[in-house]
Amino acid sequence: DIQMTQSPSSLSASVGDRVTITCRASQTITNYLNWYQQKPGKAPKLLIFAASSLHSGVPSRFSGSGSGTHFTLTISSLQPEDFATYYCQQTYTTLTFGGGTKVEF
Amino acid sequence: QVQLVESGGGVVQPGRSLRLSCAASGFTFDYFPLHWVRQAPGKGLEWVALISSEGNNEYHADSVKGRFTISRDNSKNTLYLQMNSLRPEDTAVYYCAREGARLGIDAFDIWGQGTMVTVAS
Repeated sequence: DIQMTQSPSSLSASVGDRVTITCRASQTITNYLNWYQQKPGKAPKLLIFAASSLHSGVPSRFSGSGSGTHFTLTISSLQPEDFATYYCQQTYTTLTFGGGTKVEF
Repeated sequence: QVQLVESGGGVVQPGRSLRLSCAASGFTFDYFPLHWVRQAPGKGLEWVALISSEGNNEYHADSVKGRFTISRDNSKNTLYLQMNSLRPEDTAVYYCAREGARLGIDAFDIWGQGTMVTVAS
């Protein structure tokens, strides 16, 4: 199976900060990479699909980039509602998720 | 309103069985592949199983292969997960999720709220 490694596993940030989360695949996945946001006690929500396509209703401060094995999720100006855990997911082969990045105050 | 609602979770002894259900509404059920994803307490997300839109193709994670079976009844707009020979490590919140392939979204665009399964004696 393809291993997905997210970094950092957690980060501290403040409202207004620019935040970048990285996801690396153990082999190429072209652009079959999605990003989800999960808040405590809630189901994940889709943010970005196909590495860089913003899902409907997701604020434009979220963006994704990358291809091959290296991907990033960027939040351009962190808002209070963005404190959550973020997961990457590859759908190139047998589905796997990254370990998650917790964004906290 | 497009939604998925899971049910059937609970506390079960090791070695026993449980069947989860996921009722869909607000969309054309048989257009979309569906998945089960689980999350152990305090841990990350783990993909469990996939079933094609027509229900004729199924795939399971190695960790559950031979013990869990995904199925669907398109006449009832319902997805199932039959879990046999349960182990303590199967303890998790189980989510059903829609794959938005029909919409050009190769991702899980709709999720249920989750149902908790606890395997303990």
